[in-house]
Amino acid sequence: LAKTTQPISMDSYEGQEVNITCSHNNIATNDYITWYQQFPSQGPRFIIQGYKTKVTNEVASLFIPADRKSSTLSLPRVSLSDTAVYYCLVGDGYGLTGGGNKLTFGTGTQLKVEL
Amino acid sequence: EAQVTQNPRYLITVTGKKLTVTCSQNMNHEYMSWYRQDPGLGLRQIYYSMNVEVTDKGDVPEGYKVSRKEKRNFPLILESPSPNQTSLYFCASSLSGDSNQPQHFGDGTRLSIL
Repeated sequence: LAKTTQPISMDSYEGQEVNITCSHNNIATNDYITWYQQFPSQGPRFIIQGYKTKVTNEVASLFIPADRKSSTLSLPRVSLSDTAVYYCLVGDGYGLTGGGNKLTFGTGTQLKVEL
Repeated sequence: EAQVTQNPRYLITVTGKKLTVTCSQNMNHEYMSWYRQDPGLGLRQIYYSMNVEVTDKGDVPEGYKVSRKEKRNFPLILESPSPNQTSLYFCASSLSGDSNQPQHFGDGTRLSIL
């Protein structure tokens, strides 16, 4: 079972870059790493996903080292509206041919952005 | 609009009174899943379904039932609700259960069992 570990909370100020690291020592060969953002009383929202090296989209970057045992979500120049819980998700890697696939969320990181 | 729809959004009920939370998606997704969210515990998976008539337990299945008779619907059933099932529930769907498929979440159902 590929569990994840993240910091419980982080604080930042507007305009700064924020890096949140997720540890996933037991990641399987076929697993992708996915990050979600969640605001209070809303469902999680997909941010970014990657398999290895670096992925960048319009809102974030994801850095994955060669051993894939961790990943870092990078949010450039955060604003107050980035205050949310961020979840790192790694699949169990069974795949459609393996008889089942249970996706497990980590504990999440509460990011608080201040002025 | 592509979406996952849960009903009801809020429900207050009493111990032992059977209830069903419906979940429907219009994206033709094969994989659907239920989560509960409690303070300090994050999101925990209750049940998931790989496809029609295929369901399996997640991390916290006790006290819950599910069914997947149609691809678009995945209701969550509490046969005899108890106060420890008071929680915020989310339904999610994705194209498949592989981890390279992002999950789409509903807006949540807040259940209070008295």
